[in-house]
Amino acid sequence: DAGITQSPRYKITETGRQVTLMCHQTWSHSYMFWYRQDLGHGLRLIYYSAAADITDKGEVPDGYVVSRSKTENFPLTLESATRSQTSVYFCASSTGYSRPPRNSPLHFGNGTRLTVT
Amino acid sequence: KQEVTQIPAALSVPEGENLVLNCSFTDSAIYNLQWFRQDPGKGLTSLLLIQSSQREQTSGRLNASLDKSSGRSTLYIAASQPGDSATYLCAESGSARQLTFGSGTQLTVLP
Repeated sequence: DAGITQSPRYKITETGRQVTLMCHQTWSHSYMFWYRQDLGHGLRLIYYSAAADITDKGEVPDGYVVSRSKTENFPLTLESATRSQTSVYFCASSTGYSRPPRNSPLHFGNGTRLTVT
Repeated sequence: KQEVTQIPAALSVPEGENLVLNCSFTDSAIYNLQWFRQDPGKGLTSLLLIQSSQREQTSGRLNASLDKSSGRSTLYIAASQPGDSATYLCAESGSARQLTFGSGTQLTVLP
């Protein structure tokens, strides 16, 4: 099915471990985004990518690494997980960044709930 | 830093009622505003996108308006149904070059 899929849906890891969250989209959208959603903070942008091999920091990039070797994949890696990174992570894609003339909506995956113990 | 505010945080209405959800933003250089729906345990679903040159957008029972001068957007839901129960978030894109999200309004439509 076309769409955007995230894996795993749930992940529990220990402090200091490296963990990678996967995101795959079948629309060939040029832009992809990683957000985290926390109570009291809403949705915050971690990293985004305008195309393969082009990535840029968002609002809260510290402790995260991304790559985009293929247009359809945009994995997010926590290099050394901390308890403060316990959150729900959402991947999203768009045909264009939110600026004229390419005003296009964001399409979200169902999220990965990550718990760092 | 741009801010987006949604008040109230939660709202309960009886089925069949028309309702309005509010969104306020501080960015005077807004490019567009999007309304999303989020169901429990799910991602966000885009409902409507209003460009800065537009005043409103409609999709079925939903109508979203944008007033740049007052920094406000509203989402009007006509003839609400229990299936409309969800959290509704607005997000604006403008001078920050990225979407700024509100914290959402949790809507419950009572049968």
